[in-house]
Amino acid sequence: EIVLTQSPGTLSLSPGERATLSCRASQSVDSNFLAWYQQKPGQAPRLLIYGGSRRATGIPDRFSGSGSETDFTLTVSRLEPEDFAVYYCQQHNRSPFTFGPGTTVDI
Amino acid sequence: QVQLQGSGPGLVKPSGTLSLTCAVSGDSISSSDWWSWIRQSPGKGLEWIAEIHHSGRTNYNASLKSRATISVDKSSNQFSLKLNSVTAADTAVYYCARLKYSYDANGPSRALDVWGQGTMVTVSS
Repeated sequence: EIVLTQSPGTLSLSPGERATLSCRASQSVDSNFLAWYQQKPGQAPRLLIYGGSRRATGIPDRFSGSGSETDFTLTVSRLEPEDFAVYYCQQHNRSPFTFGPGTTVDI
Repeated sequence: QVQLQGSGPGLVKPSGTLSLTCAVSGDSISSSDWWSWIRQSPGKGLEWIAEIHHSGRTNYNASLKSRATISVDKSSNQFSLKLNSVTAADTAVYYCARLKYSYDANGPSRALDVWGQGTMVTVSS
């Protein structure tokens, strides 16, 4: 099983600041099958980035994804108030298709 | 737009069977996409359970495979999950989601692009 580790666990920032979130895989993951999701309290996760770096429909360009093999990054260039949430990475490369434990971005 | 609506009992007795259904609107369940169940509990975070294609092909999380059954009903445009022999560890919010297969200039990709609202299931006597 591919284990995804996310760091930091919590990121305390202010609106307008840059957020850099890390996702590390225990084995190499094809970046085409690495995705990032955002989840707010009481809501389902929402797809932000798929294919490692492709923004999902309607996702603003302040969100970007990068990385390869075992190291992936989600960057939010300038945090807006609505971006404070939990972010998960997920691999759909090898079954079981696993999620990371999440990074909380709070104020 | 595509919407998924999950439904099912919110309370299941230990050793019983959890049964959930996800109704799909705005897309045909017979499209090229796959259809998935994921759950979220405080202790284990997000956990992928299973996925199914309308052709009947399935993939299961091996940790649950012996207890989980995913199925599709093309006539009703919905898919379902059954999980038997449940325990308190199966208490979670259960999400249904569409697994979108894409292919563009950057290559293939797979991601859960549409999610249902989530169904809270508690296992308790």
